[in-house]
Amino acid sequence: EIVMTQSPATLSVSPGERATLSCRASQSVSSNLAWYQQKPGQAPRLLIYGASTRATGIPARFSGSGSGTDFTLTISSLQSEDFAVYYCHQYNNWPPWTFGQGTKVEIK
Amino acid sequence: QVQLVQSGAEVKKPGSSVKVSCKASGGTFSSYAINWVRQAPGQGLEWMGGIIPIFGTPNYAQRFQGRVTITADESTSTAYMELSSLRSEDTAVYYCANGYCSTTTCRNWFDPWGQGTLVTVSS
Repeated sequence: EIVMTQSPATLSVSPGERATLSCRASQSVSSNLAWYQQKPGQAPRLLIYGASTRATGIPARFSGSGSGTDFTLTISSLQSEDFAVYYCHQYNNWPPWTFGQGTKVEIK
Repeated sequence: QVQLVQSGAEVKKPGSSVKVSCKASGGTFSSYAINWVRQAPGQGLEWMGGIIPIFGTPNYAQRFQGRVTITADESTSTAYMELSSLRSEDTAVYYCANGYCSTTTCRNWFDPWGQGTLVTVSS
């Protein structure tokens, strides 16, 4: 099973600042990596797939990078609606598909 | 635009079973790859298993093998997840989430997700 490790667990950021979230896989997942955003009481929403491709309707301030074992989600200028929990998800090797434990982005 | 609508919240006794449904619309059901993901209170996301209707055979996470059954009914475009031998630790929100598969390729990221079904296991 591929273990996904996200860091940090919590990120405190002021509105308008940049946020950088990391996700590391225990073995290579190539570019088969997605990022999701989840707000309280809501289902996760797809942000990024293929490590760097924004999903339909996702603002350009969200960007993904990386391949192999190390990945980054960057939010260039945090808006109020971006404070949420973010999960990475590898879909290279299954079963099982696996998720990171999440990074909570909170208001500083 | 694919939409997934799940059945309502359930309260179950320990040792019983629960069956959650996920009705799909807006696409071709046979091209779906329906996955089930659960989230315990205050916790992260955990993949339980999935089914691709055009292939028919479900796949399960090892830790749920023997307790979970995932099926799909193409006639109603509905997928089901049944979890048996329930215990308090199974209290969670259960989501279905869609991928896409043809006979030659699959897209295994999850989009969209159902709204979630809260299953509470309590005596």
